[in-house]
Amino acid sequence: QVQLQESGPGLVKPSQTLSLTCTVSGGSISSGSYYWSWIRQPAGKGLEWIGRIYTSGSTNYNPSLKSRVTISVDTSENQFSLKLSSVTVADTAVYYCARNWNYAFDIWGQGTMVTVS
Amino acid sequence: EVVLTQSPGTLSLSPGERATLSCRASQSVSSSYLAWYQQKPGQAPRLLIYGASSRATGIPDRFSGSGSGTDFTLTISRLEPEDFAMYYCQQFGSSQYSFGQGTKLEIK
Repeated sequence: QVQLQESGPGLVKPSQTLSLTCTVSGGSISSGSYYWSWIRQPAGKGLEWIGRIYTSGSTNYNPSLKSRVTISVDTSENQFSLKLSSVTVADTAVYYCARNWNYAFDIWGQGTMVTVS
Repeated sequence: EVVLTQSPGTLSLSPGERATLSCRASQSVSSSYLAWYQQKPGQAPRLLIYGASSRATGIPDRFSGSGSGTDFTLTISRLEPEDFAMYYCQQFGSSQYSFGQGTKLEIK
């Protein structure tokens, strides 16, 4: 079955760019009509959708983060990636990648903690 | 932007009891676009309900969803010990997703 795994630095300095990659295993990122999303969760708080990408490269972003977010896809590597620029301590969170299905998120990665400090 | 408000913030019940969790939207949401998740500490959220009332694969039938327009409900008919967790509703609209702030279901 399809599984997702986030990877990237766990510590980022303020004002720098956070970069994460989500690797899809157990299936092709290009098969089926799926969007692929990034979601984050600060410690002890709720979930915030960051944005999504289709395998064609079409993207949608959360308006509150749009000016700082770039999501890209590499179908040859079966991966999609997140870049968040000009980070502050407020961007400290667990970052999840997830598959969109029927306007919900049916498969999630385990999450990766990113600290801005 | 559609804002989802979940209530109550915390629900204290005993195993075997019935749980009713509410999710209210700031504007009408298509039933096709409303989902519920369960999250336990240290874990990723798990999809329970999509399309307001359809159970995801492997979800026990004690979980049910209902509602339309701006008011949606997640019901757990008979609480099992493993059901005590955080629950989030989520909507999709105008190519955007948003989540409610969550309801904590705790053991009384």
